[in-house]
Amino acid sequence: GEDVEQSLFLSVREGDSSVINCTYTDSSSTYLYWYKQEPGAGLQLLTYIFSNMDMKQDQRLTVLLNKKDKHLSLRIADTQTGDSAIYFCAANFNKFYFGSGTKLNVKP
Amino acid sequence: DSGVTQTPKHLITATGQRVTLRCSPRSGDLSVYWYQQSLDQGLQFLIQYYNGEERAKGNILERFSAQQFPDLHSELNLSSLELGDSALYFCASAEWRAGANVLTFGAGSRLTVL
Repeated sequence: GEDVEQSLFLSVREGDSSVINCTYTDSSSTYLYWYKQEPGAGLQLLTYIFSNMDMKQDQRLTVLLNKKDKHLSLRIADTQTGDSAIYFCAANFNKFYFGSGTKLNVKP
Repeated sequence: DSGVTQTPKHLITATGQRVTLRCSPRSGDLSVYWYQQSLDQGLQFLIQYYNGEERAKGNILERFSAQQFPDLHSELNLSSLELGDSALYFCASAEWRAGANVLTFGAGSRLTVL
């Protein structure tokens, strides 16, 4: 069936770039999304990319999509301690499928 | 405030009991999605409603049921509760934004079954 996979943890130092990766199985996904979940809160949409795009940039966030390899990544430039959260990748093929989330830990 | 309201925020109950979680979508959104987030299983899709009708079903147990009412609020009913049902339950409503279907999540209802 449809699946979205992410690595579980990422640790970076403040000021470095973070790259969170995601793979998905169904190439018919029209849009792919990144959500952020802070402790005790719901998921907040960060950005999304249309499947015919390769890249989308939004301030410190850069999304890269390799449709051939079904690989999506989120790069956060100049990572801050406030970026510490769980980041979810999601794909929309008939239903929304979410990855298991990547917990980003930013060390001062 | 995301505009999606979920109540209650926290709920503690015993095994075998039944609870109802409530969700009000963002004003104007017709779709409601329910998700379960447990520690070891990430975010699991349960069910989707659109304008009062069931649209899609995920890994929802037979002990669970949901509905969406004419005013578009939705309720998720969990019965014969087991310890393993302890989780965060999220509701999300969907809107079209620049051609993309985008989910907006509520803050969640944390259910603890003792």
